[in-house]
Amino acid sequence: QVQLVESGGGVVQPGRSLRLSCAASGFTFRTYGMHWVRQAPGKGLEWVAVVWFDGSNKYYADSVKGRFTISRDNSKNTLYLQINSLRAEDTAVYYCARDGYDILTTSYHYFDYWGQGTLVSVSS
Amino acid sequence: DIQMTQSPSSLSASVGDRVTITCRASQSISSYLNWYQQKPGKAPKLLIYGASSLQSGVPSRFSGSGSGTGFTLTISSLQREDFATYYCQQSYSTPRTFGQGTKVEIK
Repeated sequence: QVQLVESGGGVVQPGRSLRLSCAASGFTFRTYGMHWVRQAPGKGLEWVAVVWFDGSNKYYADSVKGRFTISRDNSKNTLYLQINSLRAEDTAVYYCARDGYDILTTSYHYFDYWGQGTLVSVSS
Repeated sequence: DIQMTQSPSSLSASVGDRVTITCRASQSISSYLNWYQQKPGKAPKLLIYGASSLQSGVPSRFSGSGSGTGFTLTISSLQREDFATYYCQQSYSTPRTFGQGTKVEIK
């Protein structure tokens, strides 16, 4: 079965860096795009970044552009999120999610599998 | 960026009620609209994709409709396990924006 397991979260001081990981299993990782989505405490969902199946394209939310870097290692079935210059407003649970798609049309894309999330808390 | 607006932000309902949640996009997104359910402390779960297609394993009491800029999620007969927060999300363009969520509470 499909599994996504995030790790790397913790309590970090403002201005420091952190790298989150998402270990994937149960599917052919190298054939799917992957996303990071975050959720601040008591708030809604915010899309953060996406990387294409082969790593050739990456896109970011304006709120994290220039500070966050999404990457993947298809040989290790692992997705990463490098977070630099952490701010208090980056405090959130970070989820990785698979970019699923409708097999018949391949037009509709959605987040069909999610990890359990890893909490990043930015505090001095 | 495409803005997604849900209404209401919260609602109270009883078991057995029919519940409808609305989502509006700031521009036309055709049928590129997904719905998710999230329970406290858990990851979101995909319910509906392509505005009206039921994800495998999701009960048939959930349905979605709409296209263009207006969409609805309907729960035909609310069950106890359906009390949760629901989010719409567009997949028409990047960034893949979410609505602010609708919390369904027990009356």
